[in-house]
Amino acid sequence: SQQGEEDPQALSIQEGENATMNCSYKTSINNLQWYRQNSGRGLVHLILIRSNEREKHSGRLRVTLDTSKKSSSLLITASRAADTASYFCATDGQGAQKLVFGQGTRLTINP
Amino acid sequence: KAGVTQTPRYLIKTRGQQVTLSCSPISGHRSVSWYQQTPGQGLQFLFEYFSETQRNKGNFPGRFSGRQFSNSRSEMNVSTLELGDSALYLCASSSIGPYDTQYFGPGTRLTVL
Repeated sequence: SQQGEEDPQALSIQEGENATMNCSYKTSINNLQWYRQNSGRGLVHLILIRSNEREKHSGRLRVTLDTSKKSSSLLITASRAADTASYFCATDGQGAQKLVFGQGTRLTINP
Repeated sequence: KAGVTQTPRYLIKTRGQQVTLSCSPISGHRSVSWYQQTPGQGLQFLFEYFSETQRNKGNFPGRFSGRQFSNSRSEMNVSTLELGDSALYLCASSSIGPYDTQYFGPGTRLTVL
């Protein structure tokens, strides 16, 4: 079963706008990670946020984590066509030595 | 450093055959994880190896197996292929394991006819 569930499943916005994706999970975690996947290729790590952190930034990316609600959000600001991809959250399932991925959000940036 | 490499990139097999996929992690990384990605099930964890020991295994039948060598390179094997095994198989490496940033390879696209 999926630990993380992303919302929305698909998002289409205009270039320059901000994109927000949400992730909910079920069990306690050590950290939560976000990955990007371009059509049928390998995943690229975007950002890792630990359970004792509430917010983290990396360039145009901003990730928040609310452990009380078991949720996280990824904000991409000033979107570009190259941001078109699927975005996945992944949690480590404490002690399980594995990452559990959500189903992903398919983001399309329209020129 | 060179990234994670996977071979072959594409593979076509028929039902009943077996297949071996290979993954070379980033130099110095001791943890290698394998994932299966399909449109219906998404990304599913197969297994994780660290220093030649399997630390965890996902909910897959025994037809799926793996191993890790002393140089951290890893292989996974699928025996008696079924149509449903058609998928993108991804491996990821990291220094200490899934708690850490995972570096993914480009994947092996397996098609079972």
